[in-house]
Amino acid sequence: ELKVEQNPLFLSMQEGKNYTIYCNYSTTSDRLYWYRQDPGKSLESLFVLLSNGAVKQEGRLMASLDTKARLSTLHITAAVHDLSATYFCAVGATSGTYKYIFGTGTRLKVLA
Amino acid sequence: GAGVSQSPSNKVTEKGKDVELRCDPISGHTALYWYRQSLGQGLEFLIYFQGNSAPDKSGLPSDRFSAERTGGSVSTLTIQRTQQEDSAVYLCASSLGGTVMLYGYTFGSGTRLTVV
Repeated sequence: ELKVEQNPLFLSMQEGKNYTIYCNYSTTSDRLYWYRQDPGKSLESLFVLLSNGAVKQEGRLMASLDTKARLSTLHITAAVHDLSATYFCAVGATSGTYKYIFGTGTRLKVLA
Repeated sequence: GAGVSQSPSNKVTEKGKDVELRCDPISGHTALYWYRQSLGQGLEFLIYFQGNSAPDKSGLPSDRFSAERTGGSVSTLTIQRTQQEDSAVYLCASSLGGTVMLYGYTFGSGTRLTVV
């Protein structure tokens, strides 16, 4: 059974600092997504990672995937207050189906 | 429509009552998913519909939960004899079936269910 773990669960950081959120999963998968959720809002798709070594960047966020280590990272560079949100990774359960298992989320708060 | 629409946005119900939650996916999206998000928690997979195929119901927590999708479009999630532990935000998402690999899901705004 696929299990997805994120750490840290909570992250409070100062503006301008760098940090990394980790997403570990327990079984082989070739699909991983990162989502953002603002308080009281629904989820917004950020990144799609489909192969080992994939790296995607958007603004101050960069996501990468290591399928051998079953690990994805979401790196935040020079954080700004607008990045405050909860970030989820979601891993494709098995090839050929489209069921995704979500991590528990990382609640990020960027302090001015 | 332009996005995934869910109704109602909020529902308060008494323990033991039945509730129905509705999801209108994006037009043309063949895949539809229901997830549940409890307070401060991640998303729990409930059920997945893909075109005319039999749904994947493996995430439904008990036989009090059921879902249907009529005409390959609108879906209804029904919870019978609601319990307090059913209180959560129920999220619906849709995708273009196979192309979920490229774009991910589009989520609705959710229905916040409170069982009192």
